[in-house]
Amino acid sequence: GQNIDQPTEMTATEGAIVQINCTYQTSGFNGLFWYQQHAGEAPTFLSYNVLDGLEEKGRFSSFLSRSKGYSYLLLKELQMKDSASYLCAPLDSNYQLIWGAGTKLIIKP
Amino acid sequence: NAGVTQTPKFRVLKTGQSMTLLCAQDMNHEYMYWYRQDPGMGLRLIHYSVGEGTTAKGEVPDGYNVSRLKKQNFLLGLESAAPSQTSVYFCASSPGGETTGELFFGEGSRLTVL
Repeated sequence: GQNIDQPTEMTATEGAIVQINCTYQTSGFNGLFWYQQHAGEAPTFLSYNVLDGLEEKGRFSSFLSRSKGYSYLLLKELQMKDSASYLCAPLDSNYQLIWGAGTKLIIKP
Repeated sequence: NAGVTQTPKFRVLKTGQSMTLLCAQDMNHEYMYWYRQDPGMGLRLIHYSVGEGTTAKGEVPDGYNVSRLKKQNFLLGLESAAPSQTSVYFCASSPGGETTGELFFGEGSRLTVL
């Protein structure tokens, strides 16, 4: 079956760094996407990995290991506005995104 | 820049009533999707379309119908609403091809079925 595993909730301090891990099992693989979703709002696209390695995009970076079925999202210099849920979503062999429940990130001053 | 627009944003229905949610996108995207999101759960795909005039079932299609008569519009219908359909509904679009996984979402439609 298809499965996404992320921590349900994480807490971090403003200005710090946090890493959100994601492991996945899918039928086929065509990339791994990260989305951010603030409470009461729609998800917005953050990053995309199709090959192994690190993709950096400003304060956010995403890493992929296809052989391990593993990805992480790294957030640096945390700001209060980064409090949100972060959704890991692999793209399967049918080019459909498989969504987990997401990780709720709480930033404390 | 409108992007993806959903109407209505909020609706309360009684069990057995029908309604249609409208999604419109102005980005000339080929692919469009309807998802529902319930507390503590991931997004679940209801129906999707890979082009004008085409539709396909997703993970949870029962009780819903869709139509895509024009490329920019994707309609989601509830034939006979049930309390289990109380949810937040998101429409999304993507260009397709290599960027299939990069979805642009509407603001959501919050539906309550009493």
